[in-house]
Amino acid sequence: QSALTQPPSVSGSPGQSVTISCTGTRSDVGSYNRVSWYQQPPGTAPKLMIYEVSNRPSGVPDRFSGSKSGNTASLTISGLQAEDEADYYCSSYTSSSTFEAFGGGTKLTVL
Amino acid sequence: EVQLVQSGAEVKKPGESLKISCKGSGYSFTNYWIGWVRQMPGKGLEWMGIIYPSDSDTRYSPSFQGQVTISVDKSISTAYLQWSSLKASDTAIYYCARRFGSSAWGYWGQGTLVTVSS
Repeated sequence: QSALTQPPSVSGSPGQSVTISCTGTRSDVGSYNRVSWYQQPPGTAPKLMIYEVSNRPSGVPDRFSGSKSGNTASLTISGLQAEDEADYYCSSYTSSSTFEAFGGGTKLTVL
Repeated sequence: EVQLVQSGAEVKKPGESLKISCKGSGYSFTNYWIGWVRQMPGKGLEWMGIIYPSDSDTRYSPSFQGQVTISVDKSISTAYLQWSSLKASDTAIYYCARRFGSSAWGYWGQGTLVTVSS
């Protein structure tokens, strides 16, 4: 069982916005701004999309944004495109371990 | 350009040993943590452990402590993940990744598929 809880699936039509949640506890998401998000299209390695809650690495479109409120972090994808269809994983530093924990992953389907 | 290049796919029998590799290039290998992640067929990502190449400080997830060994050879900028006795349940894709910032993993290898079957 993952330390961080994500919805198993979300969907949206091209051009719409979707938000993926990542719920943790005061031991991880709630106490540290060390949340990141990863995109994994089928058959490929994960790719970092957001780090430290809301920062985008170079090359990641500004359609991807991150935020946090209390024990829940969120990834929002605006202007959905077919190429956004992938699995998305959140990750957070946790005081109960020596390194990060992953969420269970969310499958994004672009209708 | 930062790159992590992993060794190729392996097919092994239960009980056999295995060591897979992850070669870093395009950056100072000793200055960044390297981590190993397991992805079982159709499942999510799981951290196995991380290593700091400069001093080989290694930390394991409780689920993998005693099950695998993580090591590095600084002279050839390569990290390793090894098993002494594989099980069928070790069948998975294994990724290595390099630290980015304080808590993210910004560079990933292409993955190594390990299949354990009698």
